[in-house]
Amino acid sequence: GAGVSQSPSNKVTEKGKDVELRCDPISGHTALYWYRQSLGQGLEFLIYFQGNSAPDKSGLPSDRFSAERTGGSVSTLTIQRTQQEDSAVYLCASTEAPAFYEQYFGPGTRLTVT
Amino acid sequence: RKEVEQDPGPFNVPEGATVAFNCTYSNSASQSFFWYRQDCRKEPKLLMSVYSSGNEDGRFTAQLNRASQYISLLIRDSKLSDSATYLCVVKGAGTYKYIFGTGTRLKVLA
Repeated sequence: GAGVSQSPSNKVTEKGKDVELRCDPISGHTALYWYRQSLGQGLEFLIYFQGNSAPDKSGLPSDRFSAERTGGSVSTLTIQRTQQEDSAVYLCASTEAPAFYEQYFGPGTRLTVT
Repeated sequence: RKEVEQDPGPFNVPEGATVAFNCTYSNSASQSFFWYRQDCRKEPKLLMSVYSSGNEDGRFTAQLNRASQYISLLIRDSKLSDSATYLCVVKGAGTYKYIFGTGTRLKVLA
């Protein structure tokens, strides 16, 4: 079946612009996660959704970052007034439920802020 | 101390060799354990879950040692295509957070 999809796959933007990153989880997966991975680094947790609710936003690096999820499906991560340190790969993952289940990742969006 | 720790490597091994990685975790209440594989500039892909009794999938064997709080991954008969970074992932009971190690890099040499 279809896996997690993300768009765009690559995004180059100028410092100060806003960007929107999209994630389509696996159909039926109720839990959705956003992570960030900088070059050569581990995965940094950003935010978690259960359905349309985000019980934990503590991983968002600053108030320039926000995310929403609608219809228990698609999620959008928005970065306002981008900075060069925002350059990274943004990964989305979904799981059937936030219990013992494995996470499945999308291919990521590579964001470059110039 | 990091919640999940891995030796970053790289582990350089010849084709056909057996190689093992360990991953230690700090939270004794952790309940779910996974190994993921990540190729360069790609997303992590699930390699295998780790069960209490240990489990095997072809050339790959995963073990859990709760007393010493570590999990291990053994790769037998290494292939060139096994070259990747292997991520250890730990999840606590009743929590939503998956804690990722920073990965162990494996290079299988011809």
